[in-house]
Amino acid sequence: AQSVTQPDIHITVSEGASLELRCNYSYGATPYLFWYVQSPGQGLQLLLKYFSGDTLVQGIKGFEAEFKRSQSSFNLRKPSVHWSDAAEYFCAVGVRNFGNEKLTFGTGTRLTIIP
Amino acid sequence: DTGVSQNPRHKITKRGQNVTFRCDPISEHNRLYWYRQTLGQGPEFLTYFQNEAQLEKSRLLSDRFSAERPKGSFSTLEIQRTEQGDSAMYLCASSSAGTGYQPQHFGDGTRLSIL
Repeated sequence: AQSVTQPDIHITVSEGASLELRCNYSYGATPYLFWYVQSPGQGLQLLLKYFSGDTLVQGIKGFEAEFKRSQSSFNLRKPSVHWSDAAEYFCAVGVRNFGNEKLTFGTGTRLTIIP
Repeated sequence: DTGVSQNPRHKITKRGQNVTFRCDPISEHNRLYWYRQTLGQGPEFLTYFQNEAQLEKSRLLSDRFSAERPKGSFSTLEIQRTEQGDSAMYLCASSSAGTGYQPQHFGDGTRLSIL
């Protein structure tokens, strides 16, 4: 069965600093990979996705992620964070099974931005 | 595209009561998912509908839980005889059918609190 590990429960960065959130997955085949962001009390917003092709994918709000098959990783990066980026970030792997494309999520990384 | 809508946003009830949540997916989406998110965790898959057919249920979905999507549009999730452990955020997501993997769009969730 597939699984996702986000090793960092909480990360604090200064506004304007660079950011990298780690994600490792376990899945036998080529995965569909996603990063979602969740603000307090809200649902999840899709930041970016990787299906195939170029291993560096661009998303919304200036985020990017790099798929590294050899490391089973899909880390999220942003060169310069803004106070509005403070939120919970979830990495997820998608699996197709007879039309069911359910997602398996990691436990999330809470991002705090300090001025 | 008005997004996925969930009602109510919050529900507080006493243990042992029944509750029902509603999800209105994006209108052209024929796939609908329910997830449950407990504090400090990522969402976990509960069940999946394709049109009106419920095609998969997680083992997390005990006999006290039932979900329907009667006309392939909105969906309801009912919990009977609620227990303390049912306290969580219940998230609904929808996606369209297509040849490739289709990203899921999430609603803002219904937060259930059991007194």
